Amino acid sequence: AAGVIQSPRHLIKEKRETATLKCYPIPRHDTVYWYQQGPGQDPQFLISFYEKMQSDKGSIPDRFSAQQFSDYHSELNMSSLELGDSALYFCASSQTVYQETQYFGPGTRLLVL
Amino acid sequence: DQQVKQNSPSLSVQEGRISILNCDYTNSMFDYFLWYKKYPAEGPTFLISISSIKDKNEDGRFTVFLNKSAKHLSLHIVPSQPGDSAVYFCAAGSGSARQLTFGSGTQLTVLP
Repeated sequence: AAGVIQSPRHLIKEKRETATLKCYPIPRHDTVYWYQQGPGQDPQFLISFYEKMQSDKGSIPDRFSAQQFSDYHSELNMSSLELGDSALYFCASSQTVYQETQYFGPGTRLLVL
Repeated sequence: DQQVKQNSPSLSVQEGRISILNCDYTNSMFDYFLWYKKYPAEGPTFLISISSIKDKNEDGRFTVFLNKSAKHLSLHIVPSQPGDSAVYFCAAGSGSARQLTFGSGTQLTVLP
């Protein structure tokens, strides 16, 4: 069965640079969620989209923005990167915003030097 | 303030025996709960979920029990297999906000 696809899987950036992470949800899933997992921490919710509209917002820094496109893929844009942004970024998708189960992608490991 | 807590960072169990992973929560607004399994360098894999209107849900070797009055849930794996060795996360959500709140995870090691 098709799963959530995230790209790139690994990314190395310098401080103050920008990064764009991409997420392709499971086919026919219209809701996408972004989570950040810092070293030794549990995943923290950043933001979610349903039918291309932002549906919920968590602890996402103002330096980050995200959107969902007409094909339901989503991109997380991160600017003015800081050392503390080094983390694993997970995308998850669900069939609708009313579907409770979220299916996670493999994650993008971002390292900021 | 951590709303979902997994107080045991690790658990070792002999192959064939029962593994019991515990999770406590503080937010009474949570109305559904999920367990995920995570291998290193991979994303969390959904295992099983339970709605707050139930007290038990079973799927093969996995059973989740929910005690709402105690704000406690547990995942039972019977029989445990070496391939079950992974980090298990408990997660909770509510109808008003679909974001999941995760516990800190329990590393399960099943010994052959």
